[in-house]
Parts: sequence; structure tokens; C-alpha cells
Amino acid sequence: KNQVEQSPQSLIILEGKNCTLQCNYTVSPFSNLRWYKQDTGRGPVSLTIMTFSENTKSNGRYTATLDADTKQSSLHITASQLSDSASYICVVRSGGYNKLIFGAGTRLAVHP
Amino acid sequence: DTGVSQDPRHKITKRGQNVTFRCDPISEHNRLYWYRQTLGQGPEFLTYFQNEAQLEKSRLLSDRFSAERPKGSFSTLEIQRTEQGDSAMYLCASSSSLGQDYNEQFFGPGTRLTVL
Repeated sequence: KNQVEQSPQSLIILEGKNCTLQCNYTVSPFSNLRWYKQDTGRGPVSLTIMTFSENTKSNGRYTATLDADTKQSSLHITASQLSDSASYICVVRSGGYNKLIFGAGTRLAVHP
Repeated sequence: DTGVSQDPRHKITKRGQNVTFRCDPISEHNRLYWYRQTLGQGPEFLTYFQNEAQLEKSRLLSDRFSAERPKGSFSTLEIQRTEQGDSAMYLCASSSSLGQDYNEQFFGPGTRLTVL
């Protein structure tokens, strides 16, 4: 069964600190992996996309990694800001254009 | 704003009533998707349109649910005889089969449904 599992389920950090969110997937066939940020009451917004051949990709303070051998991805947030408080969802595309498998997300709270 | 828009943003209804949601995709996008998201979970796929054709429906889409995209532009999702279990955020997304945004799904803000 295709699954995407994320950890931790929730995380509280202080402003300015770094954090790393984890995503493990058992999806076949694998096309790509995206990290989305979802603010409360809003739709998800794409942060970064990783294909099979990419190991690391950065988008500002966000850095995503992908290990296709172990089927693991991480999202590292540097120098966190209050506006980073949101849910971060790992999404794997499996083959077809509409085959997105979503993780349950990690709820991040950044406190002053 | 040229993003995906959804209307209404919030809907409160009584059990047994019918509700209809609207989604306006990004204008040049030919693909449109509906998802349902419950609290603390990721979105779950409901259905997918390419232009006006509904090409795939999830088993989650019971007979009480119907979606249309009559002219290949906006789409509506109707839920008949609502149940409390239908309470969720209903997300719409659109994508293009062409161009630099090829197959990236852009999400709308969602419609939050509460069934009392």
C-alpha cells in the first residue's frame, strides 16, 4: 500500500532556532516528492519539489533532502520565524498526473 | 488575484441539507482536482477533471457527492443529504498539462464545511 509517513506529528520551537522534519514513504512507482506549507485555514503552498536524481534543494531558509534508496526525505528550516508556524505536508507523486499521496503533516509552532 | 479561488470559504449546514461549493481554477489550467481534508490529516483525493471530462473518482466519493465542470472552467461539488461525517475542508486544485508549471497542482484556500 502506498503510504507517506511524517514525523514528528507536532513540534514547538523558539524563534531563531533550526528544525528538521522527516518524511518516509513507501510509494511505487515514484515520480517526485514535494513539501507543502499549509497555514491554518488555507490551502497548501508548494515549497520545493525533489525528483529521483536530486539529493538536496534549497528555497530560502528551507532545505529539502531526498534519499531515494532509503525512501526518506527531510525538510530543514533555518533561523525559524513566527510566520513559519504552519503544517508542513510531504507529498509523493506516484506515476500519473493525479496520483498524489499526502502525508498527515507536521504541525510546527514557532514561539517568540 | 490569479490563483485558485473557492466559494464559500465557510459553510455551516444542518444534517440532511444539500450544499454546493464552487471552484474557479487558474484560467489557463485544464486540470482540476477536488480533495477532502479532515483535521490533522493530509488531503485525500476525491475526483479529477481534464477540461470538462471527469476522468477519475475516488471510492471516497459516495453517491451523495457529485462534481461537475460543465464548460471546462469552473467546477462545482455538491453534497446531498449531508451527514456529520462530511464535516471537513474541501480543497480544489488546478494544474496545466503544458508549460513550465507542468503538472504542479496549485491549491485554493478551501471551503470549510461544518454539518450540525
